[in-house]
Amino acid sequence: ETGVTQTPRHLVMGMTNKKSLKCEQHLGHNAMYWYKQSAKKPLELMFVYNFKEQTENNSVPSRFSPECPNSSHLFLHLHTLQPEDSALYLCASSQDAGGPTQQETQYFGPGTRLLVL
Amino acid sequence: AQSVAQPEDQVNVAEGNPLTVKCTYSVSGNPYLFWYVQYPNRGLQFLLKYITGDNLVKGSYGFEAEFNKSQTSFHLKKPSALVSDSALYFCAVRVSGSARQLTFGSGTQLTVLP
Repeated sequence: ETGVTQTPRHLVMGMTNKKSLKCEQHLGHNAMYWYKQSAKKPLELMFVYNFKEQTENNSVPSRFSPECPNSSHLFLHLHTLQPEDSALYLCASSQDAGGPTQQETQYFGPGTRLLVL
Repeated sequence: AQSVAQPEDQVNVAEGNPLTVKCTYSVSGNPYLFWYVQYPNRGLQFLLKYITGDNLVKGSYGFEAEFNKSQTSFHLKKPSALVSDSALYFCAVRVSGSARQLTFGSGTQLTVLP
C-alpha cells in the first residue's frame, strides 16, 4: 500500500446524478493531485493542490469540482457528467508541489473506476 | 515545453530473459525522470527516478534505468524478467527549474511469458 486511499473503488452513475470521489493520504504530504486515466491515453493531470490551495487546473470542465479541506483530504465532486468522462480517476500526493526544484515523488492511490451511463 | 514518448505499446519477453522498456523525452532544460508501474485495477507505483548524479539508477524489484543525455532516453531495464513483472509501465518527465507538473507517457504493456 502506498498510503493513499480512494473511495469508492467503483462508481456507476447516470448523467443527471451528483456524486463525490474521496482521497485521503496518510503520508504527511502537502500536495495532492487528481488525474484522469483513459484507455490508450497518457495520464491527464486535472487539478493540483499545494498546502490546500489550488495551484493548477488543466482546463477541466466545470462539471468536475475539486475540494481540498485540508492537506490530507481531497474530493472530486461530479455532476451532470458525460459518458466520455468514464475513466479511472487517480489521486496522488507528494511532499510538496511548488518550487522550481521540486523533485518529489508522487504516490498514487488505487483509483476510482467511474462509469457514466 | 516538456514531453515524453514510449514508442512501444506492447513488449513481450520470455521469463528469465532481460527486458527493456523504452522512454525518450524532450525538455527545455535539465530533466527529472521517473518510472512508474501499474498492475491491473491498481494505482501507479513508483519504481525509480533520476534527478542528478550517476546515470544508472537502481530502483524497486530489481529494476534499473539509464539516463542518456545525448540520446534523450531513460530506458527501464531488468536483467532477468519474472512473470510477475507483467504490468503497464509509465515514464514521466519534469523540467528542473520549471513550475510545470509531471508529464506522463502513454504507457507500455509488458508481458512476461512463462
